[in-house]
Amino acid sequence: NAGVTQTPKFQVLKTGQSMTLQCAQDMNHNSMYWYRQDPGMGLRLIYYSASEGTTDKGEVPNGYNVSRLNKREFSLRLESAAPSQTSVYFCASSEKFPGLGGETQYFGPGTRLLVL
Amino acid sequence: AQSVTQPDIHITVSEGASLELRCNYSYGATPYLFWYVQSPGQGLQLLLKYFSGDTLVQGIKGFEAEFKRSQSSFNLRKPSVHWSDAAEYFCAVGGTGGSYIPTFGRGTSLIVHP
Repeated sequence: NAGVTQTPKFQVLKTGQSMTLQCAQDMNHNSMYWYRQDPGMGLRLIYYSASEGTTDKGEVPNGYNVSRLNKREFSLRLESAAPSQTSVYFCASSEKFPGLGGETQYFGPGTRLLVL
Repeated sequence: AQSVTQPDIHITVSEGASLELRCNYSYGATPYLFWYVQSPGQGLQLLLKYFSGDTLVQGIKGFEAEFKRSQSSFNLRKPSVHWSDAAEYFCAVGGTGGSYIPTFGRGTSLIVHP
C-alpha cells in the first residue's frame, strides 16, 4: 500500500515550458487535491476533484489545469511555466469529499519545481 | 470565509521540555480542526483532529490539542519533546456550508535543541 505517490520528485523548467505533475493514490479514495507550498504561505489549494469526473478551482488556479483521469489519478498541468510557479506541489486524497467535515487528507511526498 | 493564524513562525525548545504551538481560527459555526506535521522533505501527516465531543483530543506521537471555543483556539501540546519532533506543524480549519476543504495556516517550524 503506497498511499499517495507523486512524480517527478524534482523538476527544473525554463519559462514558457510545459509539464504535467502526476499523482496517484491506491486507497480507493474519492476526492483528490492539488496544493502548492511556498515559504511563509502554508498550503494553498490549486484545484480539487470531489469525485471521479469532477474538478473545481481552489484558491490559486491561474496558470494551472487538472485532469481526473480515473479514480486513482489526478494530474496537474502547467501549460506555460512562469518563475512565480516555483514551489513545492503536494497532491492529497481523502476517502470522501469533506462535505460533512472532518475528513482526513493523505498527502504525497511532494514535487519540487524550479522555473528559471 | 474561514482562516487560521499560527502566530509563531519558529519555536525552539530543548529536548525533554514541554511544547505548546498556538493556533487561532476564524469560522462562523462549529469548526473542524486539524493538526498536521511535515517532516523535512516529506508530505503532511495527520496528528489529530477535532470535530465534536471532548474538547481535549489525543493524537499520535504523544501529542494532544485542546479546543477552546471562547478563545477560538486549538493549541497543540506535548509534555516532553523528542529530537525527532523537529518538523513543520500546520493547523487547519474546515467545516460545512461551503467551507468544506480545510484552510491551512502558514505553519510553525519546531527546532529541538539537544
